[in-house]
Amino acid sequence: GEDVEQSLFLSVREGDSSVINCTYTDSSSTYLYWYKQEPGAGLQLLTYIFSNMDMKQDQRLTVLLNKKDKHLSLRIADTQTGDSAIYFCAETGLTGGGNKLTFGTGTQLKVEL
Amino acid sequence: NAGVTQTPKFRVLKTGQSMTLLCAQDMNHEYMYWYRQDPGMGLRLIHYSVGEGTTAKGEVPDGYNVSRLKKQNFLLGLESAAPSQTSVYFCASSGTGNYGYTFGSGTRLTVV
Repeated sequence: GEDVEQSLFLSVREGDSSVINCTYTDSSSTYLYWYKQEPGAGLQLLTYIFSNMDMKQDQRLTVLLNKKDKHLSLRIADTQTGDSAIYFCAETGLTGGGNKLTFGTGTQLKVEL
Repeated sequence: NAGVTQTPKFRVLKTGQSMTLLCAQDMNHEYMYWYRQDPGMGLRLIHYSVGEGTTAKGEVPDGYNVSRLKKQNFLLGLESAAPSQTSVYFCASSGTGNYGYTFGSGTRLTVV
């Protein structure tokens, strides 16, 4: 079955770059996503990348995809305290219908002053 | 534009009681989903719907039922609540393109 793995915690200092990593097993994944969850809130879509792309940049966010190794990363430049949250990667494959997403366990990012 | 609205936001149930969680979306999305979130386990899909009048099982459907009588609403029912169903429940919706989900703010359910 599909599996998406992430490390549970990451701590960085304000102003540094953060890199959150994700590995997945479904080789048929067509789209991969990054979501952000702030305390007590639902998940907010940050960005997504199509599987035929290697990189996508959106302001402070850079997504890198290594399809051969099934590895996805999210880099946040100039990390701020407001970036403290849980970050989930997710992937959607070709199996079944309805754009079902498989989520990772989430990485809790803590930004220290 | 409200997006996805979940009610209630909090609920405490006794073991064996029943309840219905309501999800409403105003974006004319075809697809709707119910997930549960538990510490260290990410989000797990309970049930989903690809259109009005349709439902399908996800990864962890046991103990739950769903209905999608209207396109904008997706109901999640617990017939006989168990402590193992203590969780945060999220509803989400999406269009037919792969542009990601819109999530509700969640329902925190405690079963005692």
